[in-house]
Amino acid sequence: AQSVSQHNHHVILSEAASLELGCNYSYGGTVNLFWYVQYPGQHLQLLLKYFSGDPLVKGIKGFEAEFIKSKFSFNLRKPSVQWSDTAEYFCAVIPNAGNMLTFGGGTRLMVKP
Amino acid sequence: ETGVTQSPTHLIKTRGQQVTLRCSSQSGHNTVSWYQQALGQGPQFIFQYYREEENGRGNFPPRFSGLQFPNYSSELNVNALELDDSALYLCASSSGTSGKTRETQYFGPGTRLLVL
Repeated sequence: AQSVSQHNHHVILSEAASLELGCNYSYGGTVNLFWYVQYPGQHLQLLLKYFSGDPLVKGIKGFEAEFIKSKFSFNLRKPSVQWSDTAEYFCAVIPNAGNMLTFGGGTRLMVKP
Repeated sequence: ETGVTQSPTHLIKTRGQQVTLRCSSQSGHNTVSWYQQALGQGPQFIFQYYREEENGRGNFPPRFSGLQFPNYSSELNVNALELDDSALYLCASSSGTSGKTRETQYFGPGTRLLVL
């Protein structure tokens, strides 16, 4: 079975700082990868996804993530965060031939104005 | 908004009772997955329904059961509620082929269940 680790549980940044949230997964086969965001009081929303092709994927609101297969990683980045990026971020993986989406424990990001 | 709706939004039950949660999938989606999100944790996969059949199950006991209807809406039933069942229950819909969910799952707002 697959598993997902998000190393940072809480991150506090000032506006305009750069962001990188770590995500590592364990699974021996081909996977599809996702980052979801949960803003306060709102439901989970898709930020970006990787299925195949260019390992650098761009999502909404200026976020991007890079899939590094050799490191089993899919880190999320944003060059300059805004106060409105305050939220909880979840990395998730699903095997290409499977149906079970596995989430990491989440990273709670607080951006100070 | 994803078009996935869940009811009720909040629910309080006592230990030993039974509960039914409901989910309406996004138009055009034939697959519904259910997740349990305990406080401070990521969602955990309970099971998935594809074309009215259970199509995969996570590490949850049989007292967690479900249904999917011809219109692809779904129910999650939990019998003999325990205190640890207190959580946010999320439903997600997607358009799968042969039950393999390669496509993105779109989440509803969840039902917050408190078991006393």
